[in-house]
Amino acid sequence: GAGVSQSPRYKVTKRGQDVALRCDPISGHVSLYWYRQALGQGPEFLTYFNYEAQQDKSGLPNDRFSAERPEGSISTLTIQRTEQRDSAMYRCASSLAPGNTIYFGEGSWLTVV
Amino acid sequence: GESVGLHLPTLSVQEGDNSIINCAYSNSASDYFIWYKQESGKGPQFIIDIRSNMDKRQGQRVTVLLNKTVKHLSLQIAATQPGDSAVYFCAENRSGGFKTIFGAGTRLFVKA
Repeated sequence: GAGVSQSPRYKVTKRGQDVALRCDPISGHVSLYWYRQALGQGPEFLTYFNYEAQQDKSGLPNDRFSAERPEGSISTLTIQRTEQRDSAMYRCASSLAPGNTIYFGEGSWLTVV
Repeated sequence: GESVGLHLPTLSVQEGDNSIINCAYSNSASDYFIWYKQESGKGPQFIIDIRSNMDKRQGQRVTVLLNKTVKHLSLQIAATQPGDSAVYFCAENRSGGFKTIFGAGTRLFVKA
């Protein structure tokens, strides 16, 4: 597509529920990134893929967080047993190749109540 | 830990004046730097980038300056307009790396 597309844009979930956030990168972009952004802060790196391979997941806060990109295009970030502290804006980004400029989507705003 | 731009300062400028937004980075191994603009409710948008083999790069109304000696980056916006009001983030990347590290940003207010 023309830009990075994320869904849902807004998600309210009850504590303890699992959520899945979807990202559709720019067509042809090899690299895909997940970031988390708190209000007034810059995006915080979570994980990164090259094609379908997850190259680095060092930024995932704990083992409740996981991500996949099975066919090297669309990616899903899953948060299991959500907690209130997981409430944040989750942003996906993609780049044509590793190390190139990354382009962000509009984000998925998660609220855990 | 890694850090680029440790706080969220605010800059207020008069419409038509030039703006200068500063950023300090911590890792001397970084060799690629990017400025992003983020408007309220939107994702960060690429503005301009610079590699470490350069010390200045110009775009349309924007100029990025890099001083590797003191690990300082700045974004200059000429003839600032109300539409320039946003939060500006500097970000760094390392050679062969993929992890783009962002600072906390600077909020720019443009007074009409």
